Amino acid sequence: GQNIDQPTEMTATEGAIVQINCTYQTSGFNGLFWYQQHAGEAPTFLSYNVLDGLEEKGRFSSFLSRSKGYSYLLLKELQMKDSASYLCAVLKAGANNLFFGTGTRLTVIP
Amino acid sequence: DTGVSQDPRHKITKRGQNVTFRCDPISEHNRLYWYRQTLGQGPEFLTYFQNEAQLEKSRLLSDRFSAERPKGSFSTLEIQRTEQGDSAMYLCASSLPGGGEQYFGPGTRLTVT
Repeated sequence: GQNIDQPTEMTATEGAIVQINCTYQTSGFNGLFWYQQHAGEAPTFLSYNVLDGLEEKGRFSSFLSRSKGYSYLLLKELQMKDSASYLCAVLKAGANNLFFGTGTRLTVIP
Repeated sequence: DTGVSQDPRHKITKRGQNVTFRCDPISEHNRLYWYRQTLGQGPEFLTYFQNEAQLEKSRLLSDRFSAERPKGSFSTLEIQRTEQGDSAMYLCASSLPGGGEQYFGPGTRLTVT
């Protein structure tokens, strides 16, 4: 099976930096995805890591350590529109579907 | 708009009725997925198609649920004899051959009264 853990809620200030952690345990691993989901809307793709290290894409970066079963999503220069849920999802080796965590609800305050 | 589309966006039905949802994936995507999401949870996998073949089904997909993708393009998800526990957001996603990033549609929110 697989266990994916991420904090339930986080609050951060506009303009600041926030790091959302995700730990996972899975039998076989083929990549980790981060999605953003605004309330009542579909998840939208943010990043994909399959190798160890940091992937940077504008204000968002994602890090993966396969040996530690750990990833984080880093959001810089926070904006009010970044208030959303951030979903960590694992692609198991040999599987086609994603296994999602429960999501971290981020609230950005002025 | 060339993204994934779903219809209807909202459905309210009485317990015991049958409902059918439709998903139109991105045209060049041969892989199509159905997920279910309840409040405060991440999406949970239901089933997966590659072209018209249904290759995987989750244990969540009871015998009241059936999905089809008759011509390898759009897909339908039918729920028979709906129960209140079926109330959820039903999400469809698609991806390119070889997998990778999945693009989600806006979802169909089902409320069973």
